[in-house]
Amino acid sequence: GQQLNQSPQSMFIQEGEDVSMNCTSSSIFNTWLWYKQEPGEGPVLLIALYKAGELTSNGRLTAQFGITRKDSFLNISASIPSDVGIYFCLTSGTYKYIFGTGTRLKVLA
Amino acid sequence: NAGVTQTPKFQVLKTGQSMTLQCAQDMNHEYMSWYRQDPGMGLRLIHYSVGAGITDQGEVPNGYNVSRSTTEDFPLRLLSAAPSQTSVYFCASSFYTGTSGNTIYFGEGSWLTVV
Repeated sequence: GQQLNQSPQSMFIQEGEDVSMNCTSSSIFNTWLWYKQEPGEGPVLLIALYKAGELTSNGRLTAQFGITRKDSFLNISASIPSDVGIYFCLTSGTYKYIFGTGTRLKVLA
Repeated sequence: NAGVTQTPKFQVLKTGQSMTLQCAQDMNHEYMSWYRQDPGMGLRLIHYSVGAGITDQGEVPNGYNVSRSTTEDFPLRLLSAAPSQTSVYFCASSFYTGTSGNTIYFGEGSWLTVV
C-alpha cells in the first residue's frame, strides 16, 4: 500500500539533545497527524495538523504542516529517556489513512 | 473516558480455530478500521467501515471477516486461524469526511498467536 517517506529511519541521541524528523509525499494532503507508539502499546496521538503552514506545539514537541501540503516535520526539544519509541506520521486519502514508515528513537541517558 | 476498547488483549489459538476480536468506541465515530502489525513493521489495513452496514476491504483482507451492525461496534472475525495470522491487531476509529480523515484513535491492541 501507499506509504509516506519518513526520515530518519532510526536515531540514537543523547539525553538533552533536540530531535527532528520529517515525512514527505508526492501527493497533496489535507491532514497530517503525528503519533508515538511504545512497545506493547497502541499508537497515541501527539499533534494533529489541518492547515498548510500550521505550526503546533505540545509541550516539548512541535510539528508543522508544510506549505506545499506534501510534507510535515516533528521536532522534540531537550529529549529525555521516556521519549524512546517509534514515531510515525499519518495522513488521509479517500477513506484510508496512509502511514509513514516510522522513526525509531532511542535516547541515551 | 473509554475511547476505543479492544478485547481480548491476548489470545492463543490453534490452527483452524475461529475467533472474534471485539472493538467498541464511544465517540460516535462513523469510521472504524482494523489493522495488523507484524514485528518491526508498520500497520496494514485489514478492513474498514464508514458507517453502520457499510464495510470494505483494506490491504490484507484475506482470512478475515467484518460486520458493522451498530455505530459503536466493529468486530473482526478470523474464520480459520493460520500461523500467518499471528500478529498484533489494532482497532481504530475517527470522523471522516470522505476525502479527509480527522484524528484517528487507536485501541491498545490484541496480541494473537496461532500455533
